[in-house]
Amino acid sequence: EVHLVESGGGLVQPGGSLRLSCAASGFTFATYTMNWVRQAPGKGLEWVSYISSSSDTIYQAESVKGRFTVSRDNAKNSLYLQMNSLRVEDTAVYYCARDRYGDYAFDMWGQGTMVSVSS
Amino acid sequence: DIVMTQSPDSLAVSLGERATINCKSSRTILYSSDNKNYLAWYQQKAGQPPKLLIYWASTRESGVPDRFSGSGSGTDFTLTISSLQAEDVAVYYCQQYYSTPRTFGGGTKVEIK
Repeated sequence: EVHLVESGGGLVQPGGSLRLSCAASGFTFATYTMNWVRQAPGKGLEWVSYISSSSDTIYQAESVKGRFTVSRDNAKNSLYLQMNSLRVEDTAVYYCARDRYGDYAFDMWGQGTMVSVSS
Repeated sequence: DIVMTQSPDSLAVSLGERATINCKSSRTILYSSDNKNYLAWYQQKAGQPPKLLIYWASTRESGVPDRFSGSGSGTDFTLTISSLQAEDVAVYYCQQYYSTPRTFGGGTKVEIK
């Protein structure tokens, strides 16, 4: 069965750092482009970052550019999001999401991991 | 950035009746080279991650009931639930993947009347 499982969320003070992980299983991870999408409490969805299958292309939302870094390890079937200089407004559930093969609709989502930024 | 605007914000529909959700993009998301609209619809039930329902504006994802349908082209799109079931209570989002940043509509909450 196909799965994405996020981990690494938690409570952090403003200015702090966290590293999120997303473990993939049940499909050939190395052939898919991947994303992080977040959802603030009670709010809508916001795309955060994209990484190509070979990591040669990366896109970030302006709201996180220079603070967040997406990466992947295809040998470990894992996606990562390094989050630095965290702000209160980064508080959200963070989902990893797979791009549908051949296009860019998100066809698979993890259950999400909660990141809370508060003093 | 392409702005996606959904309407209404919420709607209440009787069981078995039709529900219609609209989505408008601030510029065309029809790619001329392949004549495809780069639009997806998602369903998010309470406490769950989103689920892909429709891609290319009108193609149903595998396993999605045929009461869900998508239509529209260019800048105006519609998601229709032809006969609302209790399990369809959720928030529905449209999303464009024509350009980065990929942007979502604000969501439409569907409830039972």
